[in-house]
Amino acid sequence: KAGVTQTPRYLIKTRGQQVTLSCSPISGHRSVSWYQQTPGQGLQFLFEYFSETQRNKGNFPGRFSGRQFSNSRSEMNVSTLELGDSALYLCASSQRTGQQGAPGANVLTFGAGSRLTVL
Amino acid sequence: GQSLEQPSEVTAVEGAIVQINCTYQTSGFYGLSWYQQHDGGAPTFLSYNGLDGLEETGRFSSFLSRSDSYGYLLLQELQMKDSASYFCAAPQAGTALIFGKGTTLSVSS
Repeated sequence: KAGVTQTPRYLIKTRGQQVTLSCSPISGHRSVSWYQQTPGQGLQFLFEYFSETQRNKGNFPGRFSGRQFSNSRSEMNVSTLELGDSALYLCASSQRTGQQGAPGANVLTFGAGSRLTVL
Repeated sequence: GQSLEQPSEVTAVEGAIVQINCTYQTSGFYGLSWYQQHDGGAPTFLSYNGLDGLEETGRFSSFLSRSDSYGYLLLQELQMKDSASYFCAAPQAGTALIFGKGTTLSVSS
């Protein structure tokens, strides 16, 4: 069974530009979450999508947005890039359905990440 | 809001036992998870405690005490390959999984 695939793996942008990152979840997983990881800050939650609906959103400015398609693939977009947006962006898929105690609700499978450098 | 606190660094030698603690504050609690991340790699799921007590998976065990809002990950017979960052995580109110800032474990020979 293929894992979570994120593209691109590495990218370099300049301030003011925008970027779109893509995530293909494990087949059958309908929940996709996005995280930003920077040194010292751990994994900070961006948003979660389930069945094409944003179910939860972290504390990030509106420049960060995302969407999910009918095949569960997800994209996130960052507009008007700032130097502080340089980070590893991780996508994770799970069998989460919204039932917190359901099996697999807390098991996220992460992709390798997209490392964004903003110059 | 929700927060999970864990030590930033832990060091140990091969063969030793190390415990990584995690204290949490959540509005609604549905269990504590642990993830491992090697340098340059993706976080991988280690264990989940939905109920109080100890869960054992090989050399790794995880413990939860909901009355104390506390859990820990116990790593036994440490090996060099266990050098990594370890994250505790819990769902916030709603459905998203929130992570602590991570504990970097360095195992030396």
